[in-house]
Amino acid sequence: EVQLVESGGGLVQPGGSLRLSCAASGFTFSHYWMSWVRQAPGRGLEWVANIKQDGSEKYYVDSVKGRFTISRDSAKNSLDLHVNSLRAEDTAVYYCARGKYFFDFWGQGTLVTVSS
Amino acid sequence: EIVMTQSPATLSVSPGERATLSCRASQSVSSNLAWYQQKPGQAPRLLIYGAATRATGIPARFSGSGSGTEFTLTISSLQSEDFAVYYCQQYNNWPYTFGQGTKLEIK
Repeated sequence: EVQLVESGGGLVQPGGSLRLSCAASGFTFSHYWMSWVRQAPGRGLEWVANIKQDGSEKYYVDSVKGRFTISRDSAKNSLDLHVNSLRAEDTAVYYCARGKYFFDFWGQGTLVTVSS
Repeated sequence: EIVMTQSPATLSVSPGERATLSCRASQSVSSNLAWYQQKPGQAPRLLIYGAATRATGIPARFSGSGSGTEFTLTISSLQSEDFAVYYCQQYNNWPYTFGQGTKLEIK
């Protein structure tokens, strides 16, 4: 059974940082692109970033470029998102999802709240 | 950036009836369109990709159609578990973008 389990969210002040993690199991992690998608409270979905199987390609939505960094460790079957210089508008549930273009499995999400 | 517009924002339908949800792209996305279902407090679930291909395990009552800029998700006979929010997503052009969602509610 495919499982994606996120962790690392929390309350952080504007300008702060967090490291979000996603533990993957039930499939060959190294064979898949992986992505992060976020959802602000009561709002729709926004694709944030994705990363190629070997980590050699990474893409970001413009609003997070230079502030967020996606990475992966295939030895540990884990996906990370380092989020820096956080703003109020980054408040959202962050989902780890399998896939590059569309997303066939999702984690349950981890909530990041940016507030003073 | 391609803007995805879903209509209606809310759709009220009785169980057993057919529901038709629409999604329009601001420019052609070919058939590179997916549909997701999201229930309160849950992650989205992939229903359709390639505009018309059902994802693994998705019941046959869900069907997708369209290409270019106009797409439709049809649920042929609504079951109680189908009442949720539905999102379309284009993956033809980076950044991949979602519609704002259609809430399907019980009439």
